[in-house]
Amino acid sequence: DADVTQTPRNRITKTGKRIMLECSQTKGHDRMYWYRQDPGLGLRLIYYSFDVKDINKGEISDGYSVSRQAQAKFSLSLESAIPNQTALYFCATSDFSTSGGLDTQYFGPGTRLTVL
Amino acid sequence: AQKVTQAQTEISVVEKEDVTLDCVYETRDTTYYLFWYKQPPSGELVFLIRRNSFDEQNEISGRYSWNFQKSTSSFNFTITASQVVDSAVYFCALSEEAGSYQLTFGKGTKLSVIP
Repeated sequence: DADVTQTPRNRITKTGKRIMLECSQTKGHDRMYWYRQDPGLGLRLIYYSFDVKDINKGEISDGYSVSRQAQAKFSLSLESAIPNQTALYFCATSDFSTSGGLDTQYFGPGTRLTVL
Repeated sequence: AQKVTQAQTEISVVEKEDVTLDCVYETRDTTYYLFWYKQPPSGELVFLIRRNSFDEQNEISGRYSWNFQKSTSSFNFTITASQVVDSAVYFCALSEEAGSYQLTFGKGTKLSVIP
């Protein structure tokens, strides 16, 4: 089974609808992230969470909200979807290495969202 | 200013050719990490390598090698004897201590290996 799973994998919705993307991980990592990928722009950070009680805005958080329901679950919500939120969304997890410093971020398979 | 620059948007090579993907980064931190990820046509992101700022030793893994040079702020990736399966978008990324170790990605280089 995959260590980081995302549901749904594909979603088509209409402008103004509320939508939630879910991420679950079995890696036991404390840190979780949401990114969006747009063609030619690379990945940009939306929100990140260092533990269940710690939520932080990333580079492009406007129009999004998140919920960290448990160590293993991190959800991204679009309260009122708009067409320019059409993108590929990735969840990632990481931990802090025992030697100090960063551990590697591991990514889920992605959710392709289309807002009509 | 971009913190991670991948100047090559697209590269095409013929199978078995060597190819180097360039990555130039910008940081004021003394402690930072550099990464390469691969995104094949199927869309997932695959971790390839991580390097910390205190380790300039080059690394080789099979047909892949990485050249980290702090003097030029570069972390270049070379594929030797390229194969069609190497066709993908490759991302270089930077993580800085001052930035709480958030990943900043370059815009990616699309590599096409032609049989």
